[in-house]
Amino acid sequence: QQQVKQSPQSLIVQKGGISIINCAYENTAFDYFPWYQQFPGKGPALLIAIRPDVSEKKEGRFTISFNKSAKQFSLHIMDSQPGDSATYFCAASRTDKLIFGTGTRLQVFP
Amino acid sequence: DADVTQTPRNRITKTGKRIMLECSQTKGHDRMYWYRQDPGLGLRLIYYSFDVKDINKGEISDGYSVSRQAQAKFSLSLESAIPNQTALYFCATSESWGPGYFGPGTRLTVL
Repeated sequence: QQQVKQSPQSLIVQKGGISIINCAYENTAFDYFPWYQQFPGKGPALLIAIRPDVSEKKEGRFTISFNKSAKQFSLHIMDSQPGDSATYFCAASRTDKLIFGTGTRLQVFP
Repeated sequence: DADVTQTPRNRITKTGKRIMLECSQTKGHDRMYWYRQDPGLGLRLIYYSFDVKDINKGEISDGYSVSRQAQAKFSLSLESAIPNQTALYFCATSESWGPGYFGPGTRLTVL
């Protein structure tokens, strides 16, 4: 049962462009929405997270946009760089039982 | 030194064998987690622990067991390994909500 749907599966962006990854969830009880970044051969790393009492959170070039009524949230990477090339996972939870999306492989070309 | 270490990093074993994956952390966090990663499926929670005396099942705990030997150590065991347990396994820690720090992973192959 996939409770967090992530798209696209893969994304190719030119350097300097905006990368956008979307996630949709089903359980309205979820109240914590983190994003993770994973480089090849490494474990995931917590990138940024949001709670549903705000509609947007920004940290540097990374922004989470949250739409509670649509049950959707997205990650925007501004001024994408080749070093951002990685797999990104969204997740959602109400407790410590995070439900992860299936991941988006981002490739940023110079 | 890495904050979260996992041993072994790679393991090939045969069906029916018992295997233990170990995790150690120097973060001083109480919360520790074991996840499994399969291509196209993301990460799925196997077990998690809030402290030495607290162990909780995740969404895919069948066929696995865990032991929290100390605040810093959390091991995952496969009592009788089967081929569909072939996956990448991650240990993680957190000081509050959800896993914040992941280890480098253990690639397990069950033949």
